[in-house]
Amino acid sequence: DTGVSQNPRHKITKRGQNVTFRCDPISEHNRLYWYRQTLGQGPEFLTYFQNEAQLEKSRLLSDRFSAERPKGSFSTLEIQRTEQGDSAMYLCASSRFRTYPNTEAFFGQGTRLTVV
Amino acid sequence: GENVEQHPSTLSVQEGDSAVIKCTYSDSASNYFPWYKQELGKGPQLIIDIRSNVGEKKDQRIAVTLNKTAKHFSLHITETQPEDSAVYFCAASYNQAGTALIFGKGTTLSVSS
Repeated sequence: DTGVSQNPRHKITKRGQNVTFRCDPISEHNRLYWYRQTLGQGPEFLTYFQNEAQLEKSRLLSDRFSAERPKGSFSTLEIQRTEQGDSAMYLCASSRFRTYPNTEAFFGQGTRLTVV
Repeated sequence: GENVEQHPSTLSVQEGDSAVIKCTYSDSASNYFPWYKQELGKGPQLIIDIRSNVGEKKDQRIAVTLNKTAKHFSLHITETQPEDSAVYFCAASYNQAGTALIFGKGTTLSVSS
């Protein structure tokens, strides 16, 4: 197991274009999270899935953002009509829910998005 | 709203010295407090965590303490080494299930040899 994998590592796009990122969690991890991190700040929670169900969304997740996790395995995060303010590192994390409370979340390397 | 304050923002120590980073949180319902280390160009790496039913936890040179009454927790690194240089983030859960974390703004630790 090589950990949480995110693709692409870097993405440069023009304002107004749509972009999609992929996250492959650690195998057998049933919880998957998306965070956004801007320069000099800590990660900000966007959303999380338990298996294929999206159970919580932050108010940061505007209607231009959509995340899916078909079949409870990999996940995609799509941003439509990108804006310069969307430029950030998008981090994915996964954890294995066993008992309350939640277990440790492990992060991927992130996808750095630059909107020009 | 929920908030995590982290201090200091930068910390420089000599190799072998100890380093302490402190965080305070606002939500008394928070029950899970992880610490992450982030190196340049990489994702955050979990280094230690503590749950609300424990006051202290230690793992080799790293220890974390939690004071639920005062709503603050601290990271202690002893015998620092140059490879400890990185940005460190504290975080606190802000939902009951512990599935959503709010992070501090980070501390840049520099260990000089």
